[in-house]
Amino acid sequence: EVKLLESGGGLVQPGGSLRLSCAASGFTFTDFYMSWIRQPPGKAPEWLGVIRNKANGYTTEYNPSVKGRFTISRDNTQNILYLQMNTLRAEDTAIYYCARVLYGSYPDYWGQGVMVTVSS
Amino acid sequence: DIQMTQSPASLSASLGETVTIECRASEDIYNGLAWYQQKPGKSPQLLIYNANSLHTGVPSRFSGSGSGTQYSLKINSLQSEDVASYFCQQYYDYPWTFGGGTKLELK
Repeated sequence: EVKLLESGGGLVQPGGSLRLSCAASGFTFTDFYMSWIRQPPGKAPEWLGVIRNKANGYTTEYNPSVKGRFTISRDNTQNILYLQMNTLRAEDTAIYYCARVLYGSYPDYWGQGVMVTVSS
Repeated sequence: DIQMTQSPASLSASLGETVTIECRASEDIYNGLAWYQQKPGKSPQLLIYNANSLHTGVPSRFSGSGSGTQYSLKINSLQSEDVASYFCQQYYDYPWTFGGGTKLELK
């Protein structure tokens, strides 16, 4: 069974940093692209970026809306996906999901999400 | 970026009815489209990929169709458990983008 469990969310002040983690299990982690997606309460999801699999050199793509502030990485020995978020703004307040990406194309399983609130 | 315009924003239908949700892309996305269902307080669940392929375990009353810039999700014989929000998402090109969503309620 595919399981994705995010952690690390919480309240952070504007300008601050936060690192989210996503523990993956139930599949061969290195075979899959992994993605981060966020969803402000009551709004549509927004794709943040993707990190490719071992066969594609673990390279990354980002949404221009967060490029330069957010960094996606992965620990392939512990099967953990990370999202480092810097210079946070109020508009970054959202539920953050990690997702497995099938065939490098579309997210097929999402975690339960973790809330990030940026406020003073 | 490819813009995804989803309609309607909300929809009220009766049990057993057939409903259709539309998604229009700002350019050809060559069937690189997925549909998700999201129930309140839950994460999105994949329904359809490649515009018309049913994800494992999804009931056959759900179907997807379309090509080019126009796509649709159809739910036959609406059930109470289908009350949810639905989102389309294109993955043809980066950045992947989502439609604004359709909130489906029972009449």
